[in-house]
Amino acid sequence: AQKVTQAQTEISVVEKEDVTLDCVYETRDTTYYLFWYKQPPSGELVFLIRRNSFDEQNEISGRYSWNFQKSTSSFNFTITASQVVDSAVYFCALRERDSSYKLIFGSGTRLLVRP
Amino acid sequence: GAGVSQSPSNKVTEKGKDVELRCDPISGHTALYWYRQSLGQGLEFLIYFQGNSAPDKSGLPSDRFSAERTGGSVSTLTIQRTQQEDSAVYLCASSLEVSHEQFFGPGTRLTVL
Repeated sequence: AQKVTQAQTEISVVEKEDVTLDCVYETRDTTYYLFWYKQPPSGELVFLIRRNSFDEQNEISGRYSWNFQKSTSSFNFTITASQVVDSAVYFCALRERDSSYKLIFGSGTRLLVRP
Repeated sequence: GAGVSQSPSNKVTEKGKDVELRCDPISGHTALYWYRQSLGQGLEFLIYFQGNSAPDKSGLPSDRFSAERTGGSVSTLTIQRTQQEDSAVYLCASSLEVSHEQFFGPGTRLTVL
């Protein structure tokens, strides 16, 4: 069965600290896709990244970076030099090839960045 | 360009009443999805449309829930005889094709008294 686990319910950091949000997934599919979404206080889910299962190359986008490791079924998200505007709930999600329409979400990690 | 829009943004209703939630996807997006976000259940998939057809309705929690999409664009999610456990934020998303990234609207917060 497919499942996404975000064990960190809430994280609080001081501005400029680095923070890593963990995501562990379960799937039987050999082809799948992983996502991160950000949900700021306004409520709208904002797409951040998609990663294909056959591409384990890590990705960096500005202060954001993602570490995909198939060996540990993890897709962790790091924010470098965090800012107050990064405060939000972050969701990791899985989509399997056989059910390519459905996103399976983790329970989310609430990040609070304090000034 | 405009993103996914949803209306109303907030809806308060009495138990037993019917409600209709509307979603207007990004222009040109063929796939449309409904999710529900509640405290107890997190983000749950409800239904998706490819064009006007809904190949998978298995995520709908009960037969009080239904959805339709007309003209390959606007979709309406209807909840009949609302119950308090229906209180949640209902999120709509759309994507260019089914296999593409989903872009979400701001949601409709439904409160059933």
